[in-house]
Amino acid sequence: GQNIDQPTEMTATEGAIVQINCTYQTSGFNGLFWYQQHAGEAPTFLSYNVLDGLEEKGRFSSFLSRSKGYSYLLLKELQMKDSASYLCAVTYTGFQKLVFGTGTRLLVSP
Amino acid sequence: DTAVSQTPKYLVTQMGNDKSIKCEQNLGHDTMYWYKQDSKKFLKIMFSYNNKELIINETVPNRFSPKSPDKAHLNLHINSLELGDSAVYFCASSQDSPSGSGANVLTFGAGSRLTVL
Repeated sequence: GQNIDQPTEMTATEGAIVQINCTYQTSGFNGLFWYQQHAGEAPTFLSYNVLDGLEEKGRFSSFLSRSKGYSYLLLKELQMKDSASYLCAVTYTGFQKLVFGTGTRLLVSP
Repeated sequence: DTAVSQTPKYLVTQMGNDKSIKCEQNLGHDTMYWYKQDSKKFLKIMFSYNNKELIINETVPNRFSPKSPDKAHLNLHINSLELGDSAVYFCASSQDSPSGSGANVLTFGAGSRLTVL
């Protein structure tokens, strides 16, 4: 299978830093995406990694290690509006679809 | 506004009925998708069309029938609705098919919440 695993839920406080991990099956791996989904809304694209390393985009950064089948999404200077679900998703070569993990629900408290 | 729009946003119906959800995108994308998000928030692909051609058909009951009259539209018809069909259905589109193509970003519609009683 293409098991994509992430923690179910995380909590953090405003202003803090939080790291959301994602592991996936490495065979045939093509690229990894992070999406944000606020309650009752559509998922929206955050980041994409295909090569090893860190991609930084403002307060959000995403890291990938292809050999380890591991990624994380790093959120800095947390704000209340960052409370949402964060979905890790992977594309595999030859499979014409984006496979989503179960998502991590992040709750940011004051 | 450039977007993926789907209707209706909410749908409440009885078991056994037939219903349709419509989706349109004006982004000029070649590929459209239907995803189902269940009560546990797990987002799973159902179908994908590239330029009106079916390219993905996951293990979905044949009560679900997608139709793409043109590359800007992908509708979902569901026959003989069951309780387990209750979910949020998301339409999405992308510039290319995601096979080996790199950064293929999906743009999602706002979702259609289907409740089967």
